[in-house]
Amino acid sequence: DAKTTQPPSMDCAEGRAANLPCNHSTISGNEYVYWYRQIHSQGPQYIIHGLKNNETNEMASLIITEDRKSSTLILPHATLRDTAVYYCIVRVAGNNRKLIWGLGTSLAVNP
Amino acid sequence: GAGVSQTPSNKVTEKGKYVELRCDPISGHTALYWYRQSLGQGPEFLIYFQGTGAADDSGLPNDRFFAVRPEGSVSTLKIQRTERGDSAVYLCASSLSGLSSYNEQFFGPGTRLTVL
Repeated sequence: DAKTTQPPSMDCAEGRAANLPCNHSTISGNEYVYWYRQIHSQGPQYIIHGLKNNETNEMASLIITEDRKSSTLILPHATLRDTAVYYCIVRVAGNNRKLIWGLGTSLAVNP
Repeated sequence: GAGVSQTPSNKVTEKGKYVELRCDPISGHTALYWYRQSLGQGPEFLIYFQGTGAADDSGLPNDRFFAVRPEGSVSTLKIQRTERGDSAVYLCASSLSGLSSYNEQFFGPGTRLTVL
């Protein structure tokens, strides 16, 4: 599975959009981009995933560049409860494969 | 509905002791995963079950670690002769098995293991 690079930390003002970048320059054609987050003292939580088209759900939007070498997770109106570590993971789709985690981005949403 | 549950939430033991950590997956989920997470790090894969069998145990660090899932539901992670370096949060996750391209993993709250 391809490696990802994320900034170690970011800040965002409450109510503003939080844009979390992820670089995955070695991604291959059959690898998806997944995002999870982990709020302090809780287990990780799935957010969204995509292959090459932009995706949106009730939690966030995922923008993948045309060359697929990077992506951005967008939380459109960040709240204090969005303060968490956000993990970008790249892997081949397929049922029930393990996730390989990096260090993620620690997002602090400030009032 | 009920999510993934893990017991105990905290476990303190002494070096050299044996511990068991339990995971109750979401009902109907056939896939079950164990990860461990050290402070400031992302989760580290340990083992994955599909039904009763371990489909991938490549993440188990050594033969002191063992996991079972005898009836394809509840799983127990067993650690023998614990060492201080085993101290971490042990996370369990479960997911559906099906034909979709991705089945998200649902995580429990973890068991914090401290080896003194």
